[in-house]
Amino acid sequence: GEDVEQSLFLSVREGDSSVINCTYTDSSSTYLYWYKQEPGAGLQLLTYIFSNMDMKQDQRLTVLLNKKDKHLSLRIADTQTGDSAIYFCATLSGGSYIPTFGRGTSLIVHP
Amino acid sequence: DAGITQSPRYKITETGRQVTLMCHQTWSHSYMFWYRQDLGHGLRLIYYSAAADITDKGEVSDGYVVSRSKTENFPLTLESATRSQTSVYFCAASLGLAINYEQYFGPGTRLTVT
Repeated sequence: GEDVEQSLFLSVREGDSSVINCTYTDSSSTYLYWYKQEPGAGLQLLTYIFSNMDMKQDQRLTVLLNKKDKHLSLRIADTQTGDSAIYFCATLSGGSYIPTFGRGTSLIVHP
Repeated sequence: DAGITQSPRYKITETGRQVTLMCHQTWSHSYMFWYRQDLGHGLRLIYYSAAADITDKGEVSDGYVVSRSKTENFPLTLESATRSQTSVYFCAASLGLAINYEQYFGPGTRLTVT
């Protein structure tokens, strides 16, 4: 089955850019998602990208997809303390309605 | 628009007891899911349901039972709770449309088994 890997922690200074990386194994993944989980809350969809796209930008968020290397990244520009959360990468393969989640990356933003 | 609610939000129970965690959606999304979240494991799928009366096992279903008699409710029962089932449990729902399978999550239930 699909395997989705993320590093567990990332620490950045407020105002810097954050880059959270994700690798996956299933080349037939059609939808790739980034979810954000704030402390004490459930996951919320942050953004997503279709497999036929290389990049998607949404305000401070930039998603890059390298299909050849099966690598997905989320860049947060001008990171703020409110961006501190756990970020989950998830993939969905064609024909499935059950996404595969990574373990989540804890983003810590310090002044 | 409440979305997905879970109850209770916090529960402490003893080993061997039966516990039921409730999940309710205010929409009529076809698909519903139960996950547990543990440090070092991320989210693991326990059970899912494609529609009322249709359920199937996920990755870590042993010791859990689900039912879905109504589209909007998807309760999760721990038949005889064990300490290893101490976790945070999330319910989720999705439309299951071809275009977008975004999952909407509830706020979670923190369960402690003593």
